[in-house]
Amino acid sequence: AQKVTQAQTEISVVEKEDVTLDCVYETRDTTYYLFWYKQPPSGELVFLIRRNSFDEQNEISGRYSWNFQKSTSSFNFTITASQVVDSAVYFCALSGYNNDMRFGAGTRLTVKP
Amino acid sequence: DVKVTQSSRYLVKRTGEKVFLECVQDMDHENMFWYRQDPGLGLRLIYFSYDVKMKEKGDIPEGYSVSREKKERFSLILESASTNQTSMYLCASSSRGLAGVETQYFGPGTRLLVL
Repeated sequence: AQKVTQAQTEISVVEKEDVTLDCVYETRDTTYYLFWYKQPPSGELVFLIRRNSFDEQNEISGRYSWNFQKSTSSFNFTITASQVVDSAVYFCALSGYNNDMRFGAGTRLTVKP
Repeated sequence: DVKVTQSSRYLVKRTGEKVFLECVQDMDHENMFWYRQDPGLGLRLIYFSYDVKMKEKGDIPEGYSVSREKKERFSLILESASTNQTSMYLCASSSRGLAGVETQYFGPGTRLLVL
């Protein structure tokens, strides 16, 4: 069975701080896909990144970076120099080859000015 | 840009009513999904569809049914709404993909309250 754990329910930081959102997953598949989505107060999930299990290269996109480590089954997300607009609920998700997506419970990030 | 639209942002229904939630995507995606989102539980898959007239049960299909008569439209049906179906419902779509699982794109959600 596939499972995603986001142990941090809520995180609060002050603007310009760096913050890391943790994601740990479980799967027996050798081929799988990991995702991060952002859900701002408006409610719509916004896609941030997709990674397959064969690509452990870390990725940076502006202030966002992702650290994928198969050895620890983790796919952590770091926001550098956080901004108020980063306030949202962030979901990590895992999908096997047949699109059976599993989401974590989400981490609510609040960035205070 | 992928556009997924849902018929209503907010709905209030009575227990026992039949409820239809509609989802339309404009990117010719083969796959469509219905999730419900509840605090502390994340998103849970109700049903999904790989093609017109095809459907597969997700993790929590009980009390729900779906219909996909056209490729762009995927409907979620609550045959007899109950208070425990009060939730946020999210629709998503993705292309079939030749190299594996493709990204799912989500609609804005429908917040359903069953009284």
